[in-house]
This record gives sequence, structure tokens and C-alpha cells, in this order.
Amino acid sequence: DTAVSQTPKYLVTQMGNDKSIKCEQNLGHDTMYWYKQDSKKFLKIMFSYNNKELIINETVPNRFSPKSPDKAHLNLHINSLELGDSAVYFCASSQVINTIYFGEGSWLTVV
Amino acid sequence: DAKTTQPPSMDCAEGRAANLPCNHSTISGNEYVYWYRQIHSQGPQYIIHGLKNNETNEMASLIITEDRKSSTLILPHATLRDTAVYYCIVRVAGGNTPLVFGKGTRLSVIA
Repeated sequence: DTAVSQTPKYLVTQMGNDKSIKCEQNLGHDTMYWYKQDSKKFLKIMFSYNNKELIINETVPNRFSPKSPDKAHLNLHINSLELGDSAVYFCASSQVINTIYFGEGSWLTVV
Repeated sequence: DAKTTQPPSMDCAEGRAANLPCNHSTISGNEYVYWYRQIHSQGPQYIIHGLKNNETNEMASLIITEDRKSSTLILPHATLRDTAVYYCIVRVAGGNTPLVFGKGTRLSVIA
């Protein structure tokens, strides 16, 4: 069973479109995260949610809107996609004190 | 910004021990040292973490100096599948603090 699962794994879309990436964790964790890994391979935190509430927003453009319908899900919606949004997006989850577990990533290509 | 310094790359012969160093001279008393790795095209994977005592698990050993300003991750018998980027991260225990990734060390295990 996959602990942190993301869909879709690959997404190719045109500039200006709106797209969503879904994330689900079956670990019973309270906290979920979105990370972005750009073409230079730097991994950066974007958002962090705890029990469906936003606790960290690392100066991400407001075209990016995370939504957490329940604590097992944290979806990432992106409006008006730009070329610079092309990256790998990783969802992750953790319980207080414990380690952070990552999904396998979603490869977004904006053309 | 990452609070750790790691060599950008290292090579290791298959079957030999891989020793990956990390400097964290500004580590605080309540910060743990975490190690993650990222195998090509996969999500980051937890390896081990520690506060001040040496730690060992089925994947690796972590040696932390007495002053806690540096540490070494040891993979006792490196295999080709250990080829990855290894990240050393300092993080406050507890709460929902996200991991802040640096550039890591690219370990190449050579047959």
C-alpha cells in the first residue's frame, strides 16, 4: 500500500490553463506538505497544513491554492499556468515529532 | 536557507563503506540531524536521524561529533542501488517544522 500517493504522475499542459494535483496519505498523519523541485533539483517547501489548516505558506504566488478537504488529503490547484511552473511537485506528510514521508512526485510540464 | 554544508559529490566502490560528511556548526540544542536521500526520479526517502548519540538502523549509521557541529552518515556496504543524492538536514523536533533541503551530496556507487 502506498503511504503517500499523488495523481497524476505526469501532466503536460499549455500556458494559461488551470490544473490540479491530488495527494492522499493513509498514514493517519495530521500534517501535510507540498514541495517543489525545479530544474536545478532544489527542493523547496511551498505549503504546510495541519489538521486542514494552513500553517506555512512560503511566498508562493497566489495562483497556487492548496485545498485540504480532510486531514488525509491535500490537493494543489494552480491557476493560469506559466512556463516557470514546470517542475516536480512532491506531497509529504508527517505526525508531530515523527519523520516526514514523501510521495513519488508529479511531473508538471507547461508548454 | 539550509543550515548544513555537504560536499557536492562523492564516489564509493560497491561493497565498501560510504561515509558522507555534513557540517552543521550553527545547530541549536533542540535541533536534530536528519538524513534523507533521493534516488533518481523518486521522492525523498528517510534514512535516519539523531540528536547527540550515535544511531544505527537497518539502512545506515549516524555518527554525531560530541560538539554536534558535524556528523557522518555511514552506509556500511554500499550497493549500486544506493546511488542517490543524500541530504543532511537539521530540524527542530516536534511541531510541524518542514524539512529545509540544501544541495546535498551526490553519491555514485561504482561497480
